Amino acid sequence: EPEVTQTPSHQVTQMGQEVILRCVPISNHLYFYWYRQILGQKVEFLVSFYNNEISEKSEIFDDQFSVERPDGSNFTLKIRSTKLEDSAMYFCASMRGYSNQPQHFGDGTRLSIL
Amino acid sequence: SQQGEEDPQALSIQEGENATMNCSYKTSINNLQWYRQNSGRGLVHLILIRSNEREKHSGRLRVTLDTSKKSSSLLITASRAADTASYFCPKTSGSRLTFGEGTQLTVNP
Repeated sequence: EPEVTQTPSHQVTQMGQEVILRCVPISNHLYFYWYRQILGQKVEFLVSFYNNEISEKSEIFDDQFSVERPDGSNFTLKIRSTKLEDSAMYFCASMRGYSNQPQHFGDGTRLSIL
Repeated sequence: SQQGEEDPQALSIQEGENATMNCSYKTSINNLQWYRQNSGRGLVHLILIRSNEREKHSGRLRVTLDTSKKSSSLLITASRAADTASYFCPKTSGSRLTFGEGTQLTVNP
């Protein structure tokens, strides 16, 4: 069964550094998402992406964050200047269509900011 | 549309027993989805039930939907230790999912 894959599984970065989290969504899916989960807290929506542009973003997704689908298969989340509070699990998800479709999640990237 | 909150917050049962968890919501829905999250892992989609369906089965999972009461239930039959996880019925707004606290199910061997 097709899966959403995320790399790396764990990323350790110094505060202030840029980090790029990578995702390969399921190949025939059209909608792409990033969520994050701070340890012990709820899963939070960050951004949705469709037709090569952001369709919705949350208040968490500020100017430090950006997303890109650079080559038609990868979907990336960039954090430009990381803060300690960016430490979390970051989940990518994809969805085939808009109506009555489930989102398929990757196993996440654990981001640790030192 | 929006979906709801899970109840109970925590449920502990013995292996082989059935587990029932509930979800309530406030406004009309097109569908309701259930997800599972094992500790430290990603979310796994379990089942989607449309608003015109009343019951749906997938393996040991049975989901019911009562639109008049704005509620849904997820039944896991013959539970296994591997079913230990958090279970969610996230709110849907557009295509974004908003997750609550979930029901933490512990299945004791």
